[in-house]
Amino acid sequence: EVQILESGGDLVQPGGSLRLSCTVSGVALTTYGMSWVRQAPGKGLEWVSIISAGGSRTYYADSVKGRFTISRDNSKSTVLLQMNSLRGEDTAVYFCAKVNDRWSGYFDHWGQGMLVIVSS
Amino acid sequence: EIVMTQSPATLSVSPGERATLSCRTSQNVNNNLAWYQQKPGQAPRLLIYDASTRATGVPVRFSGSGSGTEFTLTISSLQSEDFAIYYCQQYNNWPWWPFGQGTKVDLK
Repeated sequence: EVQILESGGDLVQPGGSLRLSCTVSGVALTTYGMSWVRQAPGKGLEWVSIISAGGSRTYYADSVKGRFTISRDNSKSTVLLQMNSLRGEDTAVYFCAKVNDRWSGYFDHWGQGMLVIVSS
Repeated sequence: EIVMTQSPATLSVSPGERATLSCRTSQNVNNNLAWYQQKPGQAPRLLIYDASTRATGVPVRFSGSGSGTEFTLTISSLQSEDFAIYYCQQYNNWPWWPFGQGTKVDLK
């Protein structure tokens, strides 16, 4: 059974940084892309970033481009999201999701999500 | 960039009734479209992929159809556990993996 466990959510001041982590078990992570999706309070789902199975391809939503960096350590079955220059509009529940293929596809397994609050 | 448009925003349905949800894309996505269900306080759950294939464990009352730019999710006979928000997402035209704004299915 695939399990995704996220950590790192916190309260951070505007302009600050935060690193989110996602650990995947029950599957050979080297075979699959991974993605981050967020959901602002009371709002819909927003795709944030995606990384290919080998880590060579990364893409970002325009809203986070230049501020967020996705990376992965397949030896630890871990995916990271480094978030810099955080803004109030980055406040959201962040979900880590497994892609069904090596880099592009649908998101077949999701973590439970963690709350990031950007506020002074 | 692809724009995903779901309708209606809210669908009020009685248990046992049929629910039909629509998703339209601004560009052709072939059949590379997924549907997700999200209940309050929970993560999204994959329901349908490749426009019409049910994910593992999804009841047969859920069905998807469409291709190109017009897609439909149908719940043939709504059960109490189906009241939720449903999102569509395309994965054909990268580098965007946008979601629709969601359709809330609630109790009539």
